[in-house]
Amino acid sequence: AQSVTQLDSQVPVFEEAPVELRCNYSSSVSVYLFWYVQYPNQGLQLLLKYLSGSTLVKGINGFEAEFNKSQTSFHLRKPSVHISDTAEYFCAVSDRAGGFKTIFGAGTRLFVKA
Amino acid sequence: EPEVTQTPSHQVTQMGQEVILRCVPISNHLYFYWYRQILGQKVEFLVSFYNNEISEKSEIFDDQFSVERPDGSNFTLKIRSTKLEDSAMYFCASNSLGSTDTQYFGPGTRLTVL
Repeated sequence: AQSVTQLDSQVPVFEEAPVELRCNYSSSVSVYLFWYVQYPNQGLQLLLKYLSGSTLVKGINGFEAEFNKSQTSFHLRKPSVHISDTAEYFCAVSDRAGGFKTIFGAGTRLFVKA
Repeated sequence: EPEVTQTPSHQVTQMGQEVILRCVPISNHLYFYWYRQILGQKVEFLVSFYNNEISEKSEIFDDQFSVERPDGSNFTLKIRSTKLEDSAMYFCASNSLGSTDTQYFGPGTRLTVL
């Protein structure tokens, strides 16, 4: 069975500082990995996804993530955050064996301070 | 760009009442899903639907829940007798046969059970 662990429930960071949001997954088959962002009182927006190929994936809003198969990780990074990046970030996994459903992590609240 | 739409955006109901949440998936998509997010918690898979039948459901999706695709465009989630603990944001999602890797999420319906 698939599962996703987001290691930090909250990450406070100052504006223009770099940030890394950590995600580990477990699955018995090849997976697709995703990061979603949720702004207050809004829906889910796809930031980026890893399907295959290059392990470094670039997404919207300057975010990127690196797939590490040996460590079963898919950490999200941004070199310089803005106040507007304050939101909840969800790591997620899906696979064909799972009927394409998406399993989400518990989320990490990124709080960017001025 | 095509998008998944959901109505209503907010539904308030009394405990024990039936509610129907509506979704219009992207027109050429064939796989449909409902997810739930209780306030402050992670997004949880409820059910997936393909070829006019449920392909998978979670433990949350008990006999009080049902899904239907009544016509060629709508996908509905019915809760027969709502409980207080059904209060949550409900997200619809869909993906296409040729692109099963990425689900497109709707903006959600906030259900409040009083």
